[in-house]
Amino acid sequence: KQEVTQIPAALSVPEGENLVLNCSFTDSAIYNLQWFRQDPGKGLTSLLLIQSSQREQTSGRLNASLDKSSGRSTLYIAASQPGDSATYLCAVPNFGNEKLTFGTGTRLTIIP
Amino acid sequence: DVKVTQSSRYLVKRTGEKVFLECVQDMDHENMFWYRQDPGLGLRLIYFSYDVKMKEKGDIPEGYSVSREKKERFSLILESASTNQTSMYLCASSDLLTSGELFFGEGSRLTVL
Repeated sequence: KQEVTQIPAALSVPEGENLVLNCSFTDSAIYNLQWFRQDPGKGLTSLLLIQSSQREQTSGRLNASLDKSSGRSTLYIAASQPGDSATYLCAVPNFGNEKLTFGTGTRLTIIP
Repeated sequence: DVKVTQSSRYLVKRTGEKVFLECVQDMDHENMFWYRQDPGLGLRLIYFSYDVKMKEKGDIPEGYSVSREKKERFSLILESASTNQTSMYLCASSDLLTSGELFFGEGSRLTVL
């Protein structure tokens, strides 16, 4: 059974710093990995989707990498802003299975 | 942009009532999902559907049923609401024929008294 871990559970950094969020998964038979952000009381917003054939994806100040062999993905946020404060979740499906396994998320706070 | 719309953002119901949560997506996606999200438990899959009139149980289907009569609409039904079904319910859709990216609605916060 796929297990997805996100460490740390919470992170606070001063505005302007670069930061890295981590996601680990136990079963490398994935065909993509997706990063989401969730604001309090709201649904999840898709940030980046990395296909298994890719090593990274970029969108603005966000860069996500994927290393299937080690079962790890990172989300890099450059020049953090208070508006980046949210919970960040990663999720992976398995081959032949449309169901996703979600991590429990990292709650990020950017201190002005 | 893909849009997944959940009909109600907040609902308050009484124990034993029948509850309908509606979800509509506008991108012709085959796959649709219902999750619930609770503090400390993360997102848990209730049901999903990969085609009209098709449904599959997720991890916690007990106490729920679903309906998918049209491709764009996926309904979650609580036949007899109970207090332990107080939760945030999230609908999502995806198209595995393309990228497989999952898109979520804004969520429905259900309180059962």
